[in-house]
Amino acid sequence: QKEVEQNSGPLSVPEGAIASLNCTYSDRGSQSFFWYRQYSGKSPELIMFIYSNGDKEDGRFTAQLNKASQYVSLLIRDSQPSDSATYLCAGGPSYNTDKLIFGTGTRLQVFP
Amino acid sequence: DGGITQSPKYLFRKEGQNVTLSCEQNLNHDAMYWYRQDPGQGLRLIYYSQIVNDFQKGDIAEGYSVSREKKESFPLTVTSAQKNPTAFYLCASRTAGGHQPQHFGDGTRLSIL
Repeated sequence: QKEVEQNSGPLSVPEGAIASLNCTYSDRGSQSFFWYRQYSGKSPELIMFIYSNGDKEDGRFTAQLNKASQYVSLLIRDSQPSDSATYLCAGGPSYNTDKLIFGTGTRLQVFP
Repeated sequence: DGGITQSPKYLFRKEGQNVTLSCEQNLNHDAMYWYRQDPGQGLRLIYYSQIVNDFQKGDIAEGYSVSREKKESFPLTVTSAQKNPTAFYLCASRTAGGHQPQHFGDGTRLSIL
């Protein structure tokens, strides 16, 4: 069974701090990894995606991928209360399927 | 505006009734997907389609059916065989191939009367 695992949280950080969200995956064939933000009662919104080892930065967000360790992370700098949401990690497609495998999400709480 | 439109936003189903959820996209995306989300369980794939007139079962296809007669449209029918249909249903689409991400519609919340 191919899996993507995330700590459900909640992860609580003070406003202005760095939030670090982590994800591990089991399918070594996964080609890309995606981070989505989901506010309560809303649909997921794409934050970033990464497919090469190393770091990828976009504004306050940095995605990190380590294929050897099968580990993906999302760093949020200068966290704001509006960042409070559930963050979903997804991996795929793999070599023989178009599917993404989603983790169950990590709930982030940013307090003032 | 380009995007993915799901309708209705809320839907109620009676016992023994089939209901159809609509998903339309004007992004010229090749691939479309249906997911179900239950509290605390993340997203589970129901069906997906990579081209018109072709679709594949996902992880939880039992009690659901789909069609893909047009590139823009991928309706999902929740049949009476689905005994626990109450959930948040999400439609997504993407350009096929490479590392392109899936983008989601706003979702349909289905409940049993």
